Amino acid sequence: DVKVTQSSRYLVKRTGEKVFLECVQDMDHENMFWYRQDPGLGLRLIYFSYDVKMKEKGDIPEGYSVSREKKERFSLILESASTNQTSMYLCASARTGFQPQHFGDGTRLSIL
Amino acid sequence: GDSVTQMEGPVTLSEEACLTINCTYTATGYPSLFWYVQYPGEGLQLLLKATKADDKGSNKGFEATYRKETTSFHLEKGSVQVSDSAVYFCALSHQGAQKLVFGQGTRLTINP
Repeated sequence: DVKVTQSSRYLVKRTGEKVFLECVQDMDHENMFWYRQDPGLGLRLIYFSYDVKMKEKGDIPEGYSVSREKKERFSLILESASTNQTSMYLCASARTGFQPQHFGDGTRLSIL
Repeated sequence: GDSVTQMEGPVTLSEEACLTINCTYTATGYPSLFWYVQYPGEGLQLLLKATKADDKGSNKGFEATYRKETTSFHLEKGSVQVSDSAVYFCALSHQGAQKLVFGQGTRLTINP
């Protein structure tokens, strides 16, 4: 079974802090994704990566950046956290873009 | 661009009731279609998929048929259980595309 592991289930940070969310997958998948999930808005794609050191903006990239230095790890970075970034963040991976995505359990991030 | 529209929730049913969650899509060509389920406190899991017109995906008693003529992929189950309480997401992807397009999700609650 594919395992996608997010480093924290719950995280509390302060406004203005630099925040790192880490995601690791164990199935040698090419593609990795970061979403945020908010009530009434469903899942919105922040960034995705289809190869090491490659990244593409999703639908809501503003205020975020990503890093993929190794195939198995995809990091989401909030450069200067703001309260409107309080959300559930979900990481996913897939063998290719056309294949089903496998999700981690999510990180619930609160920015105070 | 591509889009997915699901019936609005929340949906509340009694155990053993019949379930239908409507999903329609707008896309060019022949996308693959998916249903994902998110149980409380967890990430999304693939429930079922269909890759071409008239295909029927099925899993855990749930079914959905890819209807090209009505651009629909409705999720059905003949007799729901309390353990089916979750949020259900309809999604599509294209061959060669790198990402999924999700509907907004439908929260389902089953009462004993």
